[in-house]
Amino acid sequence: EIVLTQSPATLSLSPGERATLSCRASQSVSSYLAWYQQKPGQAPRLLIYDASNRATGIPARFSGSGSGTDFTLTISSLEPEDFAVYYCQQRSNWLFTFGPGTKVDIK
Amino acid sequence: QVQLQESGPGLVKPSQTLSLTCTVSGGSISSGGYYWSWIRQHPGKGLEWIGYIYYSGSTYYNPSLKSRVTISVDTSKNQFSLKLSSVTAADTAVYYCARGVNEDAFDIWGQGTMVTVSS
Repeated sequence: EIVLTQSPATLSLSPGERATLSCRASQSVSSYLAWYQQKPGQAPRLLIYDASNRATGIPARFSGSGSGTDFTLTISSLEPEDFAVYYCQQRSNWLFTFGPGTKVDIK
Repeated sequence: QVQLQESGPGLVKPSQTLSLTCTVSGGSISSGGYYWSWIRQHPGKGLEWIGYIYYSGSTYYNPSLKSRVTISVDTSKNQFSLKLSSVTAADTAVYYCARGVNEDAFDIWGQGTMVTVSS
């Protein structure tokens, strides 16, 4: 089973700052990586698929990069509604796993 | 647009079978290219993929749950279902149904339903 590790566990930033979240896979997942945002009491929302493609309706301040084992989600300038938990997720051999999440909170 | 809605008991006794249904509205579950999935989240924890079913009926399950999981589809009702047998307190979680796309992501999620395993 491929294990995803996310860092940092918590990121404390102010609105307007840039957020850089990391996701590392225990072995290559090619570009089969997605990112989600989850707010309390809500279902996750797909932000990025195939490592770097924004999902429908996702603002341009969200971007994804990477391939193989190292991936990054960048939020160029945090808006108040961006403070949430972010999960990465991979698909390998038609099995899926999620990372433990990074919480982005207000500094 | 396509929406998903979970339904089922919120309380299940230990050793019994958890049964949930996801109703798809705004689109056909028989549309090719999608895989209809169940994902759960233990209280205060991360996400765990349970399994999925193609419209054709092919299924894939999380190896850690495979012996207890059955996912089925009813195209006439535009629904798919989850059965998890021999539940314990460790199966207490919010259960989500979701639509898988592009071979690697879940783009539409239900609101989730909390299931508690307790006597």
